[in-house]
Formats: sequence, C-alpha cells, structure tokens
Amino acid sequence: EDQVTQSPEALRLQEGESSSLNCSYTVSGLRGLFWYRQDPGKGPEFLFTLYSAGEEKEKERLKATLTKKESFLHITAPKPEDSATYLCAVQYSSNTGKLIFGQGTTLQVKP
Amino acid sequence: DAMVIQNPRYQVTQFGKPVTLSCSQTLNHNVMYWYQQKSSQAPKLLFHYYDKDFNNEADTPDNFQSRRPNTSFCFLDIRSPGLGDAAMYLCATSRDSQPQHFGDGTRLSIL
Repeated sequence: EDQVTQSPEALRLQEGESSSLNCSYTVSGLRGLFWYRQDPGKGPEFLFTLYSAGEEKEKERLKATLTKKESFLHITAPKPEDSATYLCAVQYSSNTGKLIFGQGTTLQVKP
Repeated sequence: DAMVIQNPRYQVTQFGKPVTLSCSQTLNHNVMYWYQQKSSQAPKLLFHYYDKDFNNEADTPDNFQSRRPNTSFCFLDIRSPGLGDAAMYLCATSRDSQPQHFGDGTRLSIL
C-alpha cells in the first residue's frame, strides 16, 4: 500500500536552533515528492518539488533533500515566522498531479 | 494575482441538509481537485477533474458529488451531511502533473 509518514509529529525549536523534518514513503513508481507549508486556517502553500534521489532544493532557511526512501526538510537558523505545519506529499500518477499526503509536522519556533 | 478562491470560507449547515461549496481559479489549470482535511490530519483526496473527465477516489462516500461546469469553476456537493463530514475542504488546481495550488479552504460545521 502506498504510504507517506512524517516525523516528528510536532517539533519545538528555539529561534536559531537548526533541525530537520523527515518524510518517508513507500510508493510504487514515485513521480515526484512535494513539500508544502500550511498555516492555521489556510490552504497548503507550495515550497519544493524533488524528482530524483540526490536532488536538493533551497529557499531561504529551508533545504529539501531526497533519497530513494525518504526526504528531509532542513531548517537552518529558524525564525518564529517559520512556525507552521509542513506537509510532505508524493505524486503517484504520471498524467495528473494526484498526491498522497503525510500527516504533517507542526513546527513551533520560539523567540 | 492568479489564484484559487474558495467560497464561503466558513459554512454551517444542519445535519442532513444539502450544502454546496465552490471553487474558482484564474490560473487556467486543466486539473481541479477536492480534498477533505480533518483536524491534525493529512488532506485526503476526494476526487479530481482532468479537463472534463471526473475521477472519483475508491473510498469517497457516495454522499459527495462534484460538478465542473467550465474550466474556472468546480463545486463540491454534500447531499446529506453527517457529523463526520465536519472538516476543512480544500480545492486545488494544477497544470497536468505540475505542483498543485491550493485555495484557503472552506471550514464546514454540522449542527
């Protein structure tokens, strides 16, 4: 069965304390892995797409990496405005963008 | 700015009373999706339209229906809402298998 699992479920960091979020997946025929940020009461906001093992993408304090079985979202020197739920999703269809989402990691960054 | 707009943001209905949620997009994307997201859970795909073709997920209850009268609009109809249908409903769009863009959702409450 296709599955996406994120860990930890919740993470509390002090401002400036770097850490990583994990997304492990079991999908037959991975087409792409996506990271989204979701703020309370809002829809998910697209961050990154990764397509092949070894690929890396960066945006400000965030860096996403991909292996054959998992992806990491590294957060360097986080700020309170980075507090949100981070969702990982895998694409399993070649012609549409159908995704399977993980349950998310809720990040809280304290000043 | 091109975007995905969902109306209303909050909807309260009575147990068993039909309700319709709407989604419009200015991105001219050919694929539109409806997700259900319950508190602290992953978004769950209900169905999607690839152009005019409707695709239902196998475990989507028959109580949920959808209409896409044109490229820009898509509706989610819940024929007889039960208490278990209280959730955030997210609409998303994509150009084929490109990253999905989400609206800010409609939070549905059932009295």
